[in-house]
Amino acid sequence: ETGVTQTPRHLVMGMTNKKSLKCEQHLGHNAMYWYKQSAKKPLELMFVYNFKEQTENNSVPSRFSPECPNSSHLFLHLHTLQPEDSALYLCASSQTRVITDTQYFGPGTRLTVL
Amino acid sequence: ILNVEQSPQSLHVQEGDSTNFTCSFPSSNFYALHWYRWETAKSPEALFVMTLNGDEKKKGRISATLNTKEGYSYLYIKGSQPEDSATYLCASGMDSNYQLIWGAGTKLIIKP
Repeated sequence: ETGVTQTPRHLVMGMTNKKSLKCEQHLGHNAMYWYKQSAKKPLELMFVYNFKEQTENNSVPSRFSPECPNSSHLFLHLHTLQPEDSALYLCASSQTRVITDTQYFGPGTRLTVL
Repeated sequence: ILNVEQSPQSLHVQEGDSTNFTCSFPSSNFYALHWYRWETAKSPEALFVMTLNGDEKKKGRISATLNTKEGYSYLYIKGSQPEDSATYLCASGMDSNYQLIWGAGTKLIIKP
């Protein structure tokens, strides 16, 4: 596979469930990102990892827990979510963290919290 | 508070017509401006990254201009085709390591 892949593509979970989103990039990039996209709103950056180290956490609630075991994989662990967390979650990667680098996106996970 | 605004929110264009839309961003400490194209159920795809005032970029029938002094960028599509139907996103960054701030997008629908 090439590019950035995300699994699952769709997820429905209850507020007491624990689930994880997975992202994998096959581009040899060093930076990876989690974004949240709610309907008709701009992309909101959640977390950034650079060389496996978390460099940014944009005041994301602790019910979202990221993990980056290596430069190719990024996870978002979810627990005790709220219905307002229902959104499209996009993963992206870029060669470096420099802002002129193009970010390559996965297709996203559509999350519904019941 | 940084804000990136895109207008219009949505746009219906007849096939064959040309169109353009706008991205407005804070002009102070500007560093870079990105344009992306996002088709439904697919991944956002990069079109251009622009850094210099007066910059113009072109990819086939799509082109973009940048005015960093007044804080806006235009995206132009010449001779629209049905495959141009997508949401076009712009994102602006203030310094080399700052995060990108995204606009909400312009949804373009091409009518055959």
